[in-house]
Amino acid sequence: GEEVAQTPKHLVRGEGQKAKLYCAPIKGHSYVFWYQQVLKNEFKFLISFQNENVFDETGMPKERFSAKCLPNSPCSLEIQATKLEDSAVYFCASSLRGEDTQYFGPGTRLTVL
Amino acid sequence: AQRVTQPEKLLSVFKGAPVELKCNYSYSGSPELFWYVQYSRQRLQLLLRHISRESIKGFTADLNKGETSFHLKKPFAQEEDSAMYYCALRIQGAQKLVFGQGTRLTINP
Repeated sequence: GEEVAQTPKHLVRGEGQKAKLYCAPIKGHSYVFWYQQVLKNEFKFLISFQNENVFDETGMPKERFSAKCLPNSPCSLEIQATKLEDSAVYFCASSLRGEDTQYFGPGTRLTVL
Repeated sequence: AQRVTQPEKLLSVFKGAPVELKCNYSYSGSPELFWYVQYSRQRLQLLLRHISRESIKGFTADLNKGETSFHLKKPFAQEEDSAMYYCALRIQGAQKLVFGQGTRLTINP
């Protein structure tokens, strides 16, 4: 597609439940990035992919968070056993190449109760 | 560690007045700086990047390595400029962006 798509728009989970977020990058873009924005503050980088390979995962919490980008499927970000502090807007971005402009999706708002 | 600081959370100016959104960064290498904008109910989008040295929607930003700043300026603000503005830094060799906390700009009629 011409825009980065993210689903769902909103996700509500009870503490301890699993949450799975999806991102469809712009067609032809090789890089996918995930960012977390807590309480409308600054964006925190989580992980990036070059095609289906992890490029940089320095921002990913070691536990509970995982992500994948498989061929012919939307990329996903999964949080096992959500905690209250995971409540945030999760943004996905894609770029043609790593050094190119990153185009952002509309975000998924995750609320953990 | 790399850091981007936008000292003003909120900035309010009158239509037609000059506007300057401040951005300072800390990074020892050669930075690449960006301004992103988010209008109401729209997604985050690139406004400009320092290597392009272009003016978008009347906005300009100059990288000042001596002052480690990348302030965004516009000589005459318009109401449609009201939005959230984020300054971002890309580290040499890495692709991820490091964002500032953002400045909400409001242009009063």
